[in-house]
Amino acid sequence: KNQVEQSPQSLIILEGKNCTLQCNYTVSPFSNLRWYKQDTGRGPVSLTIMTFSENTKSNGRYTATLDADTKQSSLHITASQLSDSASYICVVRPGNNAGNMLTFGGGTRLMVKP
Amino acid sequence: NAGVTQTPKFRVLKTGQSMTLLCAQDMNHEYMYWYRQDPGMGLRLIHYSVGEGTTAKGEVPDGYNVSRLKKQNFLLGLESAAPSQTSVYFCASSWAGPNEQFFGPGTRLTVL
Repeated sequence: KNQVEQSPQSLIILEGKNCTLQCNYTVSPFSNLRWYKQDTGRGPVSLTIMTFSENTKSNGRYTATLDADTKQSSLHITASQLSDSASYICVVRPGNNAGNMLTFGGGTRLMVKP
Repeated sequence: NAGVTQTPKFRVLKTGQSMTLLCAQDMNHEYMYWYRQDPGMGLRLIHYSVGEGTTAKGEVPDGYNVSRLKKQNFLLGLESAAPSQTSVYFCASSWAGPNEQFFGPGTRLTVL
């Protein structure tokens, strides 16, 4: 069964600090992996997308990495801001006829404190 | 552009009641999706549509029905609500299957 596991489940950091969120997946075959940010009471918004051949991709203070061999991804947030407080969701798309059936991780809830 | 909108935002039902959730998108997207999000779990796909007049089952379709009579609208129906359907429901749309999905703000449904 396709699964996406995220760690930690929750994280509290001080404003200005860096943090790294982890995502492990068992989806096979693999098409792409997205990180979404979900603010409280809102729908998820895409931050980055990574395909099989990409190792690193940045979007401002967000940097995602992908190791397709070990089926692991990470999202690194640099110089955190209060507005980074949200849930971060890792989503994997399979590379077969079930491509519409995304597998979502349970998310990491990040709280940035002043 | 409003993007993806959902109505209502909140709803409380009694067991056995029926209701319809409406999703609308103004991005001319072909694909539309309905998900449910439960505490501690990832979003799970209920039903989806690859174009006007088409629907398909997702991971957790039981107890739900959908219709896509117009390209911009995707309706999710609960014929006889059960407490297990208490959840936050998200609608999403995309140009095609592999493309980024744009999500609506969600509908919080409580079934007593």
